Amino acid sequence: AQTVTQSQPEMSVQEAETVTLSCTYDTSESDYYLFWYKQPPSRQMILVIRQEAYKQQNATENRFSVNFQKAAKSFSLKISDSQLGDAAMYFCAYRSLMEYGNKLVFGAGTILRVKS
Amino acid sequence: NAGVTQTPKFRILKIGQSMTLQCTQDMNHNYMYWYRQDPGMGLKLIYYSVGAGITDKGEVPNGYNVSRSTTEDFPLRLELAAPSQTSVYFCASSYIGQFTGNTIYFGEGSWLTVV
Repeated sequence: AQTVTQSQPEMSVQEAETVTLSCTYDTSESDYYLFWYKQPPSRQMILVIRQEAYKQQNATENRFSVNFQKAAKSFSLKISDSQLGDAAMYFCAYRSLMEYGNKLVFGAGTILRVKS
Repeated sequence: NAGVTQTPKFRILKIGQSMTLQCTQDMNHNYMYWYRQDPGMGLKLIYYSVGAGITDKGEVPNGYNVSRSTTEDFPLRLELAAPSQTSVYFCASSYIGQFTGNTIYFGEGSWLTVV
């Protein structure tokens, strides 16, 4: 079974600065999806960015970008020009394309605090 | 678009009571999931379904039951509620098909407290 590890329980960043959240995963599969979700205090699950494993190019969405290292099984999220609204819990998630059910497997999450 | 709708949003249960969390989606998705999220933790899979009439256990199925009689609905039943089932529950859905399947849509969550 796949596992997802987020080694940073909490991170802090100054407003307008850049922060990187770490994620590693374990799998024997070659094709899969990786996601970062944002969860504000309302607990809503908001998709931030997705990456297809077969794509070498790192995904970007405005101020959010990833560093996808397939061989190292690493998938970090970089937030540039941090804003107060970025403060939330962030989850890294893995989705198998081969395993029955195509379930999402989540990491434990990283709390991001943004200081003004 | 309604997307994935969960009801109720909040519920307080007494130990030993039973209840059903409702989930419906209007996107004609074939795959549906139930997750729970304990405080300060990630989401853990309870049950999932790959189509009407088909359900399977996830990582933490004990104390729960599901059914999938239609494509749209995927209710989660809690039997004999226990304090350990205090959690936020998320229903999610996705369409899996050739060249598709990279997005899972989540409901807004149902906050359940067992006292």
